[in-house]
Amino acid sequence: KQEVTQIPAALSVPEGENLVLNCSFTDSAIYNLQWFRQDPGKGLTSLLLIQSSQREQTSGRLNASLDKSSGRSTLYIAASQPGDSATYLCAVPSGGSYIPTFGRGTSLIVHP
Amino acid sequence: GAGVSQSPSNKVTEKGKDVELRCDPISGHTALYWYRQRLGQGLEFLIYFQGNSAPDKSGLPSDRFSAERTGESVSTLTIQRTQQEDSAVYLCASSDMGGRGDHPYNEQFFGPGTRLTVL
Repeated sequence: KQEVTQIPAALSVPEGENLVLNCSFTDSAIYNLQWFRQDPGKGLTSLLLIQSSQREQTSGRLNASLDKSSGRSTLYIAASQPGDSATYLCAVPSGGSYIPTFGRGTSLIVHP
Repeated sequence: GAGVSQSPSNKVTEKGKDVELRCDPISGHTALYWYRQRLGQGLEFLIYFQGNSAPDKSGLPSDRFSAERTGESVSTLTIQRTQQEDSAVYLCASSDMGGRGDHPYNEQFFGPGTRLTVL
């Protein structure tokens, strides 16, 4: 069974900082890994999907890396803004499955 | 194009009543997932539909929970004899399982959820 851990659980930073959010998983035989953000009282918004054959994906100020062998993914947020405040979740399926296990998330607050 | 939609957005019911929650996936998406998120908790997988294959029901917490999907279209999650512990946000997601490269591309897109409150 896949286990997903996200560190840190919470983060509060001033605007403009570059951030690193970590996701680790136990079963490395995965097809892909997906990062989401969730705003309070809302559904999940997809940020980045990394296929197992890829090492990183970029979208604007976001960059996600994947190291399958060590069971880790990292989400980099450059030049953080107050609008980035949300909970960030990573989702990783078990080996041979398309059903993801979600981490508990990193709650991010970026203050002006 | 339209995203995943869910209805109702909020549902308040009395303990013991049955409820039906609806999910309309993105057109053309063959895979559909239901999840539950209790207050302050992570997402729990409930059930997964993929095309015409038998659904993966391994996440359903009890036989009071069931779900159906009409072809590759709308899905309904039914909770019978609701209990207070069923109070949660129920989220639906869909994805395109079309093949690209070595593995199917499986980016999930979520609906806004249905907030269920059982009194």
